[in-house]
Amino acid sequence: DAMVIQNPRYQVTQFGKPVTLSCSQTLNHNVMYWYQQKSSQAPKLLFHYYDKDFNNEADTPDNFQSRRPNTSFCFLDTRSPGLGDAAMYLCATSGGSLAVNPDTQYFGPGTRLTVL
Amino acid sequence: AQKVTQAQTEISVVEKEDVTLDCVYETRDTTYYLFWYKQPPSGELVFLIRRNSFDEQNEISGRYSWNFQKSTSSFNFTITASQVVDSAVYFCALYSSASKIIFGSGTRLSIRP
Repeated sequence: DAMVIQNPRYQVTQFGKPVTLSCSQTLNHNVMYWYQQKSSQAPKLLFHYYDKDFNNEADTPDNFQSRRPNTSFCFLDTRSPGLGDAAMYLCATSGGSLAVNPDTQYFGPGTRLTVL
Repeated sequence: AQKVTQAQTEISVVEKEDVTLDCVYETRDTTYYLFWYKQPPSGELVFLIRRNSFDEQNEISGRYSWNFQKSTSSFNFTITASQVVDSAVYFCALYSSASKIIFGSGTRLSIRP
């Protein structure tokens, strides 16, 4: 059974048109992460939530925002996608705090974003 | 500085051969964690192993084994009797309190029938 679910698996948008990606989890983990992975590169952390506490990476572009309305769901909003934002976006969860317990991260299948 | 180096960009072997994926890390922390993840063509990162800095015991899980050596700051991964299903990109990762998790650049492993 899927534990971290991402929808849609493939998303096509137009340059500058806002797009939202979603992630849900059945693990009841309190930490959720969003990563960006470009072709042949390592995943790059964009931000994470510890419960409702939002933590933004210093180099995450302002174009990206996130929402976490409840424990199970987390959204990635791209306000004005550019061609450089085309990538795989991976959602992950873990049970503990990054600062205290780096518990294993469990990843979803990813959403591949294409920007035309 | 925290860093993970996977010097092997791509490896290709014939099925049933043994293959070792190298991982070298840098950290000044005394407490840290090391991970290996597998990313098959479907895209999902699959957790394989976590090892903390105080546990240098090697681990074996079926055809997979891991060799952790603090003296050389290495955490190498060996697949014995490789199979086509092992074809994937493998990432080594490091976590310490000074940073979030850092991934290496990955090694693309191709197993030829």
